[in-house]
Amino acid sequence: ETGVTQSPTHLIKTRGQQVTLRCSSQSGHNTVSWYQQALGQGPQFIFQYYREEENGRGNFPPRFSGLQFPNYSSELNVNALELDDSALYLCASSLGTGGYEQYFGPGTRLTVT
Amino acid sequence: AQSVTQLDSQVPVFEEAPVELRCNYSSSVSVYLFWYVQYPNQGLQLLLKYLSGSTLVKGINGFEAEFNKSQTSFHLRKPSVHISDTAEYFCAVSETFNTNAGKSTFGDGTTLTVKP
Repeated sequence: ETGVTQSPTHLIKTRGQQVTLRCSSQSGHNTVSWYQQALGQGPQFIFQYYREEENGRGNFPPRFSGLQFPNYSSELNVNALELDDSALYLCASSLGTGGYEQYFGPGTRLTVT
Repeated sequence: AQSVTQLDSQVPVFEEAPVELRCNYSSSVSVYLFWYVQYPNQGLQLLLKYLSGSTLVKGINGFEAEFNKSQTSFHLRKPSVHISDTAEYFCAVSETFNTNAGKSTFGDGTTLTVKP
């Protein structure tokens, strides 16, 4: 059974650019959630996808967008990057949306200069 | 809306000593509660969770936590820590209400440092 994988591991972008982060969910999981973890803080919920539909969103602007594909893998897109977007981006997959255990990937470290 | 407060940002402790990491939460609805551990340069791993039933929850690596509804707390304990327990620990809550379930709110973390 393959766990949650994320790519790339690290990424450096310039302010104003766009970035796409990718997540492969654990086998059989139909729900993917994305979190942003700034240095020294806990993860903050960005949004969740359940069966290819967005199923809730945290307090993030529209330039943060996502997709979930039929195989339940997911992408996080961030447009017009700002310095404050520098963080560890975590993807978590689960069997469903109600209290199920979330399995986290290792994260993508994004640095915006 | 919900919030999580981890009362100690850093907890230093000697090996084989007991430890308690404190977590208080605030929510207007019923919640699920979780503790996660994060080792350097890694993602989060679930230690234990409270969904319903017994308020004392046992998890992996010898950790346990007790849900106290009246005090809105979910403190994590281990009777005897090891050097390998050195890590960042996060408390998290999510609403049980179906449309919001699974969207977790995390505390800012507690750094547990186990010294020899």
